[in-house]
Amino acid sequence: KQEVTQIPAALSVPEGENLVLNCSFTDSAIYNLQWFRQDPGKGLTSLLLIQSSQREQTSGRLNASLDKSSGRSTLYIAASQPGDSATYLCAVLYPDAGNMLTFGGGTRLMVKP
Amino acid sequence: DGGITQSPKYLFRKEGQNVTLSCEQNLNHDAMYWYRQDPGQGLRLIYYSQIVNDFQKGDIAEGYSVSREKKESFPLTVTSAQKNPTAFYLCASSEMDSVVYEQYFGPGTRLTVT
Repeated sequence: KQEVTQIPAALSVPEGENLVLNCSFTDSAIYNLQWFRQDPGKGLTSLLLIQSSQREQTSGRLNASLDKSSGRSTLYIAASQPGDSATYLCAVLYPDAGNMLTFGGGTRLMVKP
Repeated sequence: DGGITQSPKYLFRKEGQNVTLSCEQNLNHDAMYWYRQDPGQGLRLIYYSQIVNDFQKGDIAEGYSVSREKKESFPLTVTSAQKNPTAFYLCASSEMDSVVYEQYFGPGTRLTVT
């Protein structure tokens, strides 16, 4: 069964730090990988989507990388701010899965002022 | 503005009652999905639909039912057969004829059954 794992489950950092969130997947034959942000009690906001042929995507202070061969993706957040506090979820789309995403359990990030 | 709406935001029901959660999208997406999220966990797929009048079971379909009579709408009914219905329910949609297949999510409905 295809599985997606996110480590750590929770992370607390002081404001201004650069940080890395990790996502690993068991089956490297992915179609794409999405990183989402979820605020408490809210829906998911798509942050970055990386196609299987791409190595990274950037949006503002966020950079997501993809290494299919090792089954890993990282989300790099530069100069973290208290407003970055949220849960970050990664999700993988496999080509034969009918467009269904497989989600990791998420990393709950707290950035302290 | 294009997007996905879910209603209501909060829903309370007594055990043994069926309840229907609404999901509407104006993104002109062919595919729609229902996910369930439990505290501290990722999302699990309940049902999905890639075309009107057709839908498929996801990983945890037991105790749920759906319909897709219109492209814009994909309501989810939580039946009394669902043993642990209290959860946060998220609806999503995506294009089918796309090389990207990015999924967009609604704001969610929190269902509490007592």
